[in-house]
Amino acid sequence: AQSVTQLGSHVSVSEGALVLLRCNYSSSVPPYLFWYVQYPNQGLQLLLKYTTGATLVKGINGFEAGFKKSETSFHLTKPSAHMSDAAEYFCAVSLNQAGTALIFGKGTTLSVSS
Amino acid sequence: GAGVSQSPSNKVTEKGKDVELRCDPISGHTALYWYRQSLGQGLEFLIYFQGNSAPDKSGLPSDRFSAERTGGSVSTLTIQRTQQEDSAVYLCASSRSRDPAYEQYFGPGTRLTVT
Repeated sequence: AQSVTQLGSHVSVSEGALVLLRCNYSSSVPPYLFWYVQYPNQGLQLLLKYTTGATLVKGINGFEAGFKKSETSFHLTKPSAHMSDAAEYFCAVSLNQAGTALIFGKGTTLSVSS
Repeated sequence: GAGVSQSPSNKVTEKGKDVELRCDPISGHTALYWYRQSLGQGLEFLIYFQGNSAPDKSGLPSDRFSAERTGGSVSTLTIQRTQQEDSAVYLCASSRSRDPAYEQYFGPGTRLTVT
C-alpha cells in the first residue's frame, strides 16, 4: 500500500529565506508525485508534478521539487520565501494505473514572517 | 474558464439527518473524484467516477455514504443519518482523463458541520 509522510506539520520561515518542505513516500513501484497548495478557504491548486523524465521539476510561483528514488523523497523547495507563500502544502502520490486516486500526506502549514 | 464548483459552500445539519452535496465538474472532464478533508485524518479519497463505468467506491467509509453522477457530468454525494464524525470539508475534483498523470482540478469544497 502506498503512503505519504510529510515531516513537520508546521514550518516557519522569514521572508526571503529558503523554503524546504519534506515529503517521503512508500510505494512498491515508482509512483507519480504531486505537490498541491491550499490557501485559506480555497480548494487545492497543483504546484508541480513528477511523472517521468527529469527528476528536478519546476512548478508555479518559483517552487521546484526533486525526485530521489533512492531516498523515496520528493522535497519541495523555493529559494526565497514571499509572504504570499503562506498556505498549507500537500504532497500526494498515485500509482501509474488508470483511475488511481491521489494519496495525500497530512499537509504542512507554511508561515512566512516579515 | 469555469472551474469545478461545489454547493453548498457550507452546510450545518443535525445528527441523524441526510445531506446532499453537489459537484459540477469542468466541462468535458470525464473523471470525477470525491475526497474528504478532516482534522486528524487529512485528505482521504472517497469515490471515483470515469465516464459510464462503474464507480470505484473503495474509499467510502460506511454504507451511509453514496454518490451518483448523472449524465457523466454533475455528481451528488449523499450522506444518510449523519454523525458528528462526518463533519469535514468535502472536496470534489475533476480531470480530463483517467490517466493519473493528468492534473486533478479541485473545487472549493463544502464544509459540513454535524451538530
